[in-house]
Amino acid sequence: QKEVEQDPGPLSVPEGAIVSLNCTYSNSAFQYFMWYRQYSRKGPELLMYTYSSGNKEDGRFTAQVDKSSKYISLFIRDSQPSDSATYLCAMTVYGNNRLAFGKGNQVVVIP
Amino acid sequence: GAGVSQSPRYKVAKRGQDVALRCDPISGHVSLFWYQQALGQGPEFLTYFQNEAQLDKSGLPSDRFFAERPEGSVSTLKIQRTQQEDSAVYLCASSLAASGISYEQYFGPGTRLTVT
Repeated sequence: QKEVEQDPGPLSVPEGAIVSLNCTYSNSAFQYFMWYRQYSRKGPELLMYTYSSGNKEDGRFTAQVDKSSKYISLFIRDSQPSDSATYLCAMTVYGNNRLAFGKGNQVVVIP
Repeated sequence: GAGVSQSPRYKVAKRGQDVALRCDPISGHVSLFWYQQALGQGPEFLTYFQNEAQLDKSGLPSDRFFAERPEGSVSTLKIQRTQQEDSAVYLCASSLAASGISYEQYFGPGTRLTVT
C-alpha cells in the first residue's frame, strides 16, 4: 500500500462547477500538506500549503485537512477552462526532506 | 525572478548509454531535490541536497544513479548504463530554507528521458 492514495480517474466538469479532489494517507506522522497543479509537459506548481488540520482558502481554492481521518481535500470554486490540469497532493513529516505524492487527478473543465 | 531551470528538456538515449541531467535552482535556495515521475504517476523522491551536502540519497533506485551539487548551486543527476525502466520525467525542485524549516518546494519543467 502506498503512503498516499489519490484516485487518478479523470474528472470532467462544466465551466463554473465546483471541483472536489481528495487524498487519503496512511502515515499519521504527516503534518505538512500541499496541493500542486501540473500542466501537460510542465513541472508541478505549488497551489496550496497547509500545516496540520484545518481549512485554508486562497481565492477560488480551499484546502482542507482532517488528520483524524487521514484525509485531505481541495475544492476549486467557479472552475475555469484554465484550471484544466493534473492536481497532485503531497505531504511530508516534520524534519523530513522528501515529499510523498499521490498519483494525481486529471481535471478537465469544459467551456 | 527566474524559476528552476533544467536541461536538456528532452533526452533520448540508447540502452547502455550514460546520461547527465542538469538543474539550475532558484538563486539562493539552500535545498535541492530530485524526483522521478513515471507516466501517469506522481513524482517519487530520489535525493536531497542541503547546499553541497547530499543528505539523503535513499530514493536512488540503483547504484547506476548518481547526483552531485559541488558548489551548492547547480546540480547534475547522472544515470549510467541506462535501462528502459529509467524512462521517465526527472524533476528538480528547490526550496529556500533547509529541510525541516521550509516545506515549499518549487519545481522545474523536468527532463523527459526516453531509453530505446
